[in-house]
Amino acid sequence: DIQMTQSPSSLSASVGDRVTITCQASQDISNYLNWYQQKPGKAPKLLIYDASNLETGVPSRFSGSGSGTDFTFTISSLQPEDIATYYCQQYDNLPPLFTFGPGTKVDIK
Amino acid sequence: EVQLVESGGGLVQPGGSLRLSCAASGFTVSSNYMSWVRQAPGKGLEWVSVIYSGGSTYYADSVKGRFTISRDNSKNTLYLQMNSLRAEDTAVYYCARDPPGTGVFDYWGQGTLVTVSS
Repeated sequence: DIQMTQSPSSLSASVGDRVTITCQASQDISNYLNWYQQKPGKAPKLLIYDASNLETGVPSRFSGSGSGTDFTFTISSLQPEDIATYYCQQYDNLPPLFTFGPGTKVDIK
Repeated sequence: EVQLVESGGGLVQPGGSLRLSCAASGFTVSSNYMSWVRQAPGKGLEWVSVIYSGGSTYYADSVKGRFTISRDNSKNTLYLQMNSLRAEDTAVYYCARDPPGTGVFDYWGQGTLVTVSS
């Protein structure tokens, strides 16, 4: 099975800062990598799909990049409403298996 | 508007059973892949099971043989039958839509809490 790691596990940044989260797969997953935001007590929300595509309605300060085993998620200018935990997720289809990274908790400094 | 509403969670004793429901609106369940994803208290997300549009079903190793995913096309509703429940099954259970072949969970329900405890 493919394992996903994320770093850092948590971070604290100021409003307006650029925030970067990395996600690494244990083997090549092409661009089958998605990013979700989860606020406390709420369901996850899709932000980025297929590594770099912004979901409709998601602010453009969110972006993603990468392919193969190394991926990056960026918030270009951190806003107070971005306080949340962010998860990467990969997809295998033979057999189907969805694996989430352990998450990165983002706080305001 | 796409909406997913889970129900059926609650407190159950170890070894007991529970059936979760996920009522969908704004789209057709049988035309999509539908998954259950769970989150133990204070922990990360764990995929549990998927049912394909064609009816094929798949499970995480942690629930294989104990959980059964199904759907009722006439009610546009997804189900998760959970048997032989264990303390480690305690979690919020979410249903999520996965447009066929994408591997992307684009819509999620609000979740329903299952607590397995004596």
